[in-house]
Amino acid sequence: GAGVSQSPRYKVTKRGQDVALRCDPISGHVSLYWYRQALGQGPEFLTYFNYEAQQDKSGLPNDRFSAERPEGSISTLTIQRTEQRDSAMYRCASSSLGGGTGELFFGEGSRLTVL
Amino acid sequence: AQRVTQPEKLLSVFKGAPVELKCNYSYSGSPELFWYVQYSRQRLQLLLRHISRESIKGFTADLNKGETSFHLKKPFAQEEDSAMYYCALSPAGTALIFGKGTTLSVSS
Repeated sequence: GAGVSQSPRYKVTKRGQDVALRCDPISGHVSLYWYRQALGQGPEFLTYFNYEAQQDKSGLPNDRFSAERPEGSISTLTIQRTEQRDSAMYRCASSSLGGGTGELFFGEGSRLTVL
Repeated sequence: AQRVTQPEKLLSVFKGAPVELKCNYSYSGSPELFWYVQYSRQRLQLLLRHISRESIKGFTADLNKGETSFHLKKPFAQEEDSAMYYCALSPAGTALIFGKGTTLSVSS
């Protein structure tokens, strides 16, 4: 596609449910990043991939959060047993360069609300 | 610790006035710094990076290693500059670290 695509754009769920957020990066982009942004804050790094390899997951807040990019393209961020504090905008970005460098191209984000 | 600080949450100026959005960083290595911008109802996007040393939409930013700063400047603000601005640091080999952002509001 022309840009990074994220789905769903909006997700409302009840506490305790699992959610999966999807990111379809720009075709051919090597690296893919997940960020979380709470209201009034900047994007907070969660994890990133070079191709299918998860290079850094130090930003994942706890083991309820996981991400995968099995074929080096589409990625899924999964949050298990959601809690209200997980409510935020989840942003995905991709880059033509690996290793954490290069310009990031962002999707429109997925806004998660946990009731 | 690696950190980006944007001390102002909101900066309000009149059209035609000079603008300076402040950014300070903490990083022990050689920094690579960026400014990203998000206009209303648009995606977060790159505005400029320090290694390019270019002016984008009239904005410039100079890296000052002595003061560990990368302030964003524009001599004459326009209403279309109103947006959220994020300063970001790229530590070697890992992902961007963003500041909390500054909302720039330009009014006529």
